[in-house]
Order: sequence, then structure tokens, then C-alpha cells
Amino acid sequence: QQQVKQSPQSLIVQKGGIPIINCAYENTAFDYFPWYQQFPGKGPALLIAIRPDVSEKKEGRFTISFNKSAKQFSLHIMDSQPGDSATYFCAAVEYGNKLVFGAGTILRVKS
Amino acid sequence: DTGVSQNPRHKITKRGQNVTFRCDPISEHNRLYWYRQTLGQGPEFLTYFQNEAQLEKSRLLSDRFSAERPKGSFSTLEIQRTEQGDSAMYLCASSPQARQETQYFGPGTRLLVL
Repeated sequence: QQQVKQSPQSLIVQKGGIPIINCAYENTAFDYFPWYQQFPGKGPALLIAIRPDVSEKKEGRFTISFNKSAKQFSLHIMDSQPGDSATYFCAAVEYGNKLVFGAGTILRVKS
Repeated sequence: DTGVSQNPRHKITKRGQNVTFRCDPISEHNRLYWYRQTLGQGPEFLTYFQNEAQLEKSRLLSDRFSAERPKGSFSTLEIQRTEQGDSAMYLCASSPQARQETQYFGPGTRLLVL
């Protein structure tokens, strides 16, 4: 059973566009929601994270929007660049416990 | 802060052989996690340690898998009698005491079982 559902599977945008990646979860015990960026052959790198008591968080060009009642959250990348081309994973964690990942979104930013 | 390191980065082995991977976490991180990632999928949890104690093991971790963290610093993951289905990227992550939910990943060990 997939506890964190992520969409779309892949995404292509033009440079400067705003790709949006969506995730939904079922377990209401989750209390921390990070996003990871992964380049081919590398380990996932922590990008930004949010807790459910906050509706939005911005760090640089990356923004997380969180809807607790709908159990959904999303990542927006402002002014996307070709260097942002990577696989993005949403995840959820129950305090002090393991990460549960979404299936990933392959993003390609065309120059 | 040198980050999480893993060795080897790549391993090719024949079916039936044993392999061992090593993970060195970020200094003073008391929690250490192992995940497995297959192509096109997100990482899946295998097991984790708090200091030297192994606190949880996934059902994915069959009897052929064993992990240790003998002195609460580095960790090893051993796979005995490897099978072709074990081919995957094995990722290690660590997190600090004060922010245990914030996990930092190493570069991974890519295993190919022939």
C-alpha cells in the first residue's frame, strides 16, 4: 500500500517556468514532510521541508504549499533552470521514524 | 561537516556471493538509516539504528540481510547469498539527536548481482 502518492510521474517545462509537483498522504500521524532532489547516480539531497501546522514555506526558489485538511502538499519551483532537471521525491515521516517516499517525479527544464 | 560517506560506491558480484557495504554517518549523528532504491522508485526503508541499538527492521530485510553499528559510529550492511533481485542502490542516511526527522543521505552503493 502506497502511503504517499506523488504526481506527475514526469514533467517538462521551459526555462523560467514554474513546475508543480503534488503529493497526497493518508497517515495522519505523519508530522514532517520533506522534499528531496536526486541527480542520476547520487543520493537524495534534502531540499526543503514543512510541518503540518504551516500552510506554506519558501526557501529561495522552492516553495511548499501544505493543505492539512486535504492531506495534500506540493512543491513549486520558481524561475526554473536547466540545472533543476532532476528527480524530485516527496516524503513523510512519523516522529523519530523512517521516511516514506513517493514514487518520484522526473523534471526536465528545457533551455 | 564531511557528509555521509558510503563504500564501495559500486559493487558487482555473482549470485550466491556475500557482500558488505559500509556507511560513515555525519559526525555526532546518533541515528543511522539504511534504505534500498530500485530504478525508477523512491527509496524504501530497511532498518535504522539509534547509537548502536537497531530499533526497527523492515519486512524487506530478509534473513539474508544483516546490519550492525557496533560502536554507534559507522555501520555495515551485509547481504549473504546474493540474488539477482538484490540489485539496487543501497542508501545510508543519518540524523542528529536534536532533529531526528531531518535525514541526510550518502551517495549510495550501487549493487549489481549477475
